[in-house]
Amino acid sequence: EPEVTQTPSHQVTQMGQEVILRCVPISNHLYFYWYRQILGQKVEFLVSFYNNEISEKSEIFDDQFSVERPDGSNFTLKIRSTKLEDSAMYFCASSAFGELFFGEGSRLTVL
Amino acid sequence: DAKTTQPPSMDCAEGRAANLPCNHSTISGNEYVYWYRQIHSQGPQYIIHGLKNNETNEMASLIITEDRKSSTLILPHATLRDTAVYYCIVRVSGNNNAGNMLTFGGGTRLMVKP
Repeated sequence: EPEVTQTPSHQVTQMGQEVILRCVPISNHLYFYWYRQILGQKVEFLVSFYNNEISEKSEIFDDQFSVERPDGSNFTLKIRSTKLEDSAMYFCASSAFGELFFGEGSRLTVL
Repeated sequence: DAKTTQPPSMDCAEGRAANLPCNHSTISGNEYVYWYRQIHSQGPQYIIHGLKNNETNEMASLIITEDRKSSTLILPHATLRDTAVYYCIVRVSGNNNAGNMLTFGGGTRLMVKP
């Protein structure tokens, strides 16, 4: 069964460093998303991406964040100058036209 | 997207049916009811969705009231592995190119007990 894969599964970084989280969406899907979940809190929408551009983004997704689809398969989330409060699980998802399929997440720990 | 109301937690005995309610009284005519679950800290997992009619798949059944203001997710024979947070979400499916994003609420934490 096709699935969304994410790397790394866990990344530890120092405050102020840049982080890139990678996702390989399901191959025939057209919509891509990033969500995050701070420990003990709700799953929060960050951004959606369609046709090589951002289609929607939340207030959380400020200039510190960027997304890119550098080739035909990968979808990346870049977090510049990480802060302690960026520590969270980051989930990538993709969809064709209906339900979203999520990856297992990348845990980011900022020290 | 319309907001939903779910009980924060529920218990269910292993092998029994788990009935998870959801209120969505402000749902509009073109909004679907989606159910997802999150086991521990894993990625949310799609379960089922529907518009008006009741739906069933290999995982669960979805019962939507005639006025569409509430719904119930039924896990017919709950197992310990069904312990998770269950999210009821209403949204328009397939609308333009907005990416059909989901807005997660607090969900219902279902604890299946032996």
